[in-house]
Amino acid sequence: DVKVTQSSRYLVKRTGEKVFLECVQDMDHENMFWYRQDPGLGLRLIYFSYDVKMKEKGDIPEGYSVSREKKERFSLILESASTNQTSMYLCASGSSTGRAFFGQGTRLTVV
Amino acid sequence: KNEVEQSPQNLTAQEGEFITINCSYSVGISALHWLQQHPGGGIVSLFMLSSGKKKHGRLIATINIQEKHSSLHITASHPRDSAVYICAVGADSNYQLIWGAGTKLIIKP
Repeated sequence: DVKVTQSSRYLVKRTGEKVFLECVQDMDHENMFWYRQDPGLGLRLIYFSYDVKMKEKGDIPEGYSVSREKKERFSLILESASTNQTSMYLCASGSSTGRAFFGQGTRLTVV
Repeated sequence: KNEVEQSPQNLTAQEGEFITINCSYSVGISALHWLQQHPGGGIVSLFMLSSGKKKHGRLIATINIQEKHSSLHITASHPRDSAVYICAVGADSNYQLIWGAGTKLIIKP
């Protein structure tokens, strides 16, 4: 079975903290994605990566950065967390054939 | 206008009913995905389609490339089918997925 594992299921952080969300996949996929999901807004793409050290901005990259030093790991970084970044964060990975696999999600609360 | 439109947004039905959820898109695609999200957030990929029809248990997904339309059908619906069903398309210009807003399905016993 393909596994996409996110480091935390629930996180609570304070405003201004630097937050790292980690995602690891075990299928040697080229493509990895970070989304956030908010009620009424659906899934929105933050960043994606199509290769090691390569990254592309998605629809809502402001306030976020990413790191992909190894193929299996894609990290989402909130440089200075704010309350409007309270959300469900979903990581996904996919091959060039197009099928996407999702992690279990991280529910982040910024207080 | 959104590039991926789903209908209906909400659907409540009785156990046993035949369910249809529709997805229309306006971009060229490499593949279309149907996903299921249960309360609590977990997302499961149900189907990936580029043509024709696929069946898995009580779930059937069809796609008409010429009409840019896909449907997800659930036969003999059950309360455990209650979830949000999401249509997403992989644009053929890159690998980005474009998401529909989702259809919230409630099946009453």
